[in-house]
Amino acid sequence: DTAVSQTPKYLVTQMGNDKSIKCEQNLGHDTMYWYKQDSKKFLKIMFSYNNKELIINETVPNRFSPKSPDKAHLNLHINSLELGDSAVYFCASSQRRGTWPERGTQYFGPGTRLTVL
Amino acid sequence: AQSVTQLGSHVSVSEGALVLLRCNYSSSVPPYLFWYVQYPNQGLQLLLKYTSAATLVKGINGFEAEFKKSETSFHLTKPSAHMSDAAEYFCAVSIQGAQKLVFGQGTRLTINP
Repeated sequence: DTAVSQTPKYLVTQMGNDKSIKCEQNLGHDTMYWYKQDSKKFLKIMFSYNNKELIINETVPNRFSPKSPDKAHLNLHINSLELGDSAVYFCASSQRRGTWPERGTQYFGPGTRLTVL
Repeated sequence: AQSVTQLGSHVSVSEGALVLLRCNYSSSVPPYLFWYVQYPNQGLQLLLKYTSAATLVKGINGFEAEFKKSETSFHLTKPSAHMSDAAEYFCAVSIQGAQKLVFGQGTRLTINP
């Protein structure tokens, strides 16, 4: 059983297009995240949602809009794609309740490789 | 603000040799520390985490890490490298109450036959 899943795995698109990436977790967690991994493998958080509420927005351009229909899903919509958006996007989840560090341990999805041409 | 520094973007060892990947953290409060591994074209897998219950933490695949507060370090080791250990390794820090992980820049581990 896949704990954190993402679709699609690969996404190739033209500049200016709008695209979405979907994420689902079946771990029963209440917090979900989006991270961006650049071409040098550096990982940086973009957003964090807790029970469908936005908790973290790390100075990400407005073209990126996360949406959480329920606590098991967190989607990422990107408008007007630019060349610099090419990266691997990872979804992750964790449980906010309970004791540390278990409550803060994050589990990652397989990633979505976005290529903007 | 908390941060982590991984010394060495690329480490190469022979099969059977000791693996040592270095991680130093900076945090004004007791940190929670993690090591993740990323195999080629895959997601991040949790290797181990520091829970403050013990300074020596054992993880999966024979890896372990030792938390040294005096050195602000959390280095990852494995006594005998295997070809399947070739991957990218990330050290990460979180503090209680924070809702994010801050990652080091990663260390690519290569195993020579």
